[in-house]
Amino acid sequence: DTAVSQTPKYLVTQMGNDKSIKCEQNLGHDTMYWYKQDSKKFLKIMFSYNNKELIINETVPNRFSPKSPDKAHLNLHINSLELGDSAVYFCASSLADRSGGYTFGSGTRLTVV
Amino acid sequence: AQSVSQHNHHVILSEAASLELGCNYSYGGTVNLFWYVQYPGQHLQLLLKYFSGDPLVKGIKGFEAEFIKSKFSFNLRKPSVQWSDTAEYFCAVMGPLGGSYIPTFGRGTSLIVHP
Repeated sequence: DTAVSQTPKYLVTQMGNDKSIKCEQNLGHDTMYWYKQDSKKFLKIMFSYNNKELIINETVPNRFSPKSPDKAHLNLHINSLELGDSAVYFCASSLADRSGGYTFGSGTRLTVV
Repeated sequence: AQSVSQHNHHVILSEAASLELGCNYSYGGTVNLFWYVQYPGQHLQLLLKYFSGDPLVKGIKGFEAEFIKSKFSFNLRKPSVQWSDTAEYFCAVMGPLGGSYIPTFGRGTSLIVHP
């Protein structure tokens, strides 16, 4: 009964490809997020999304786009992958008022070669 | 804009030693504060959180943190660490609940506990 599940766990792909990472939460949370963790463990928020608004971290390249088919899913689509996109990507979710903190998925390790 | 600073990037302790990890934040309004732990190869897990009330917050696994508003700090403490506490620790700050705020994480502190 994984609360926040991401697939795939590992993704190795070539530069220039387009890829997607899927995220699903079964907690009934209203808001979902995508974080990027670099090799130095630094966590950077990429997107925050609920059914009302999408908040985008302005430093995220527009090659990255979140897609939410419904409240329980927030997928991350990446176009024209670059070497610098290699990182671990974490999906997370929370209640709209964030009163319970954030629940994170297990991460997707993306390697661009 | 909000920001979080974790002073200690790497901490090495022996088992049974006491732990204090520093966290200072920068934000001009009401804040909500979190500490997360990331064990090797795993995802982030919530250790404790502060929203309001008693500034001394107790979390899981014997951790606690104290919110000192005047110092803009939310330091994490544990009186006696164990080898299993080896992990990355992240402090995070967020604006008022219910608002459209993007949470911000510190750069993390890597804790290694020697048996």
